[in-house]
Amino acid sequence: KAGVTQTPRYLIKTRGQQVTLSCSPISGHRSVSWYQQTPGQGLQFLFEYFSETQRNKGNFPGRFSGRQFSNSRSEMNVSTLELGDSALYLCASRRDRADSGNTIYFGEGSWLTVV
Amino acid sequence: AQSVTQLGSHVSVSEGALVLLRCNYSSSVPPYLFWYVQYPNQGLQLLLKYTSAATLVKGINGFEAEFKKSETSFHLTKPSAHMSDAAEYFCAVSTNTGTASKLTFGTGTRLQVTL
Repeated sequence: KAGVTQTPRYLIKTRGQQVTLSCSPISGHRSVSWYQQTPGQGLQFLFEYFSETQRNKGNFPGRFSGRQFSNSRSEMNVSTLELGDSALYLCASRRDRADSGNTIYFGEGSWLTVV
Repeated sequence: AQSVTQLGSHVSVSEGALVLLRCNYSSSVPPYLFWYVQYPNQGLQLLLKYTSAATLVKGINGFEAEFKKSETSFHLTKPSAHMSDAAEYFCAVSTNTGTASKLTFGTGTRLQVTL
């Protein structure tokens, strides 16, 4: 069974540009969430999507957005990139039940460098 | 709000020695607790999880953790370290708001294994 797949794995963008990252969850998983990992701030929750609806959001500016498609695949977008957006962006999926002990599985991440 | 504190950003052990990585949590409700491992340039891999079924949880690669409510701890141990255990380890608590779910991570502990 394939794991969580993220594309692209590595990318370099210029300040002011925008970027779109893609995530395909594990088959059968309907919840997709995104995390940002930086040396300074560690791992921080961005948002969670389920059935094409955002149902949980972290403390990030509006430049960070996402969406989920009917096949559960998700994209996140960062507009007007800043140097501080350089990070590893991790996508995670879970099967989704009301019980939050439902395990969350992570992808390999997308490394974004903003220059 | 729930939080996790990992004591010691770097831990060094000799190969064959006991591994002990510390994690304390804060939660107003019964928590779901997780340990993840991150190897260089990779995503997060689940080691083990506590979901109230048993206080001693066994995970992959010989790791285990014990949930101690009185101490609000969930320390990760392995009896005998191997060179391949060198990685960064993250403790996380699941925040459940209705059906939504997110992980709140500790700052991570980098494990070094020496000969």
